[in-house]
Amino acid sequence: DAKTTQPPSMDCAEGRAANLPCNHSTISGNEYVYWYRQIHSQGPQYIIHGLKNNETNEMASLIITEDRKSSTLILPHATLRDTAVYYCIVRVAPWSSYKLIFGSGTRLLVRP
Amino acid sequence: GAVVSQHPSRVICKSGTSVKIECRSLDFQATTMFWYRQFPKQSLMLMATSNEGSKATYEQGVEKDKFLINHASLTLSTLTVTSAHPEDSSFYICSARVGVLPLSEQYFGPGTRLTVT
Repeated sequence: DAKTTQPPSMDCAEGRAANLPCNHSTISGNEYVYWYRQIHSQGPQYIIHGLKNNETNEMASLIITEDRKSSTLILPHATLRDTAVYYCIVRVAPWSSYKLIFGSGTRLLVRP
Repeated sequence: GAVVSQHPSRVICKSGTSVKIECRSLDFQATTMFWYRQFPKQSLMLMATSNEGSKATYEQGVEKDKFLINHASLTLSTLTVTSAHPEDSSFYICSARVGVLPLSEQYFGPGTRLTVT
């Protein structure tokens, strides 16, 4: 699986957009980009995933560059409850060996 | 949405004893479940992949005789930490896969904090 690089920590003001970058320069054509987050002492929560096109759901937007070497997770109006560790994972998803391997993630602090 | 539960949420046990952690998919059937371990301020580390009715597949470095995994039904997987030692104290998280790849998603339980004294 392609490795990902994320900044160890970021912060943003409540109500502003939080833009979390992820580099995955060795991603291959059949690998998806997944984002999860983990609020302190809880299990990870699925946010969004994509292959090539930008994606949006009720939680966030995922912007993937045209060359797919990097992506950005956008939380459009961050709240204090968005303070968490955010994990960017790239993964091929063959039926027989699908598993998520977590890197170190980005610790996002949303300031009041 | 899909809900995964774990029981207990916290457990304290004495060194040398065994402890069992249950993971249940509440509103879906999970053919595959995963067990992770997380030490303080570290990321999640995958321990094993469990398929219903089959033996679990353990990641390199994880002792299968120490961490017994049973996936007897499509809604229940258990992790038993045998002869626990203080270094086994950690946050244990299970996860279940639902759906058909590549559109499937993986949902996580709330975690079980194990403290071995």
